[in-house]
Amino acid sequence: DTAVSQTPKYLVTQMGNDKSIKCEQNLGHDTMYWYKQDSKKFLKIMFSYNNKELIINETVPNRFSPKSPDKAHLNLHINSLELGDSAVYFCASSRTRGRANYGYTFGSGTRLTVV
Amino acid sequence: GDSVTQMEGPVTLSEEAFLTINCTYTATGYPSLFWYVQYPGEGLQLLLKATKADDKGSNKGFEATYRKETTSFHLEKGSVQVSDSAVYFCALNSGGSNYKLTFGKGTLLTVNP
Repeated sequence: DTAVSQTPKYLVTQMGNDKSIKCEQNLGHDTMYWYKQDSKKFLKIMFSYNNKELIINETVPNRFSPKSPDKAHLNLHINSLELGDSAVYFCASSRTRGRANYGYTFGSGTRLTVV
Repeated sequence: GDSVTQMEGPVTLSEEAFLTINCTYTATGYPSLFWYVQYPGEGLQLLLKATKADDKGSNKGFEATYRKETTSFHLEKGSVQVSDSAVYFCALNSGGSNYKLTFGKGTLLTVNP
């Protein structure tokens, strides 16, 4: 039943490790996103894929690499984790038509803690 | 570029009080406007939206009217409940090919019994 599901929900790892966060949506949406929420709740877009094509790649360290194997999945791989990567990462999806966006559906988030 | 400015929080109210959270925006063209709510430990949920000037979005007793002349989309509720305690985000999408939502910084609302 879950519309946008992320795994894992919590991730605690040491500096320098490589980790992945997975996201799947069953809404039939054509666009998926990764957002980072910092400790002050500020949300910043990282990446967006539309029909498996990368359309947003904000100023994000190249240690972060998204992968979209199909329209329903958007994974985030992070190399050489740093303390500053600690945050909550949200996946989202949306239905779009032309230039219109009908609003996002968010996953419940992955809380990443780098120690 | 696009931007959203929300009133600074936190906002603390007693149950049944009237709520207003101000939101103003800067955008090119005619953006769609949204309010999202984030309950503790959860993701964001779409609360309401408006896609053109003078539209009123409403849901769960919350309302917001798209005011083009004042570039505003203030969130209101006549009588808040303890269960409304959450962080509220105003957001916009100005169209274009990237479908990006630009969020305000969020306003923490705490409702006391």
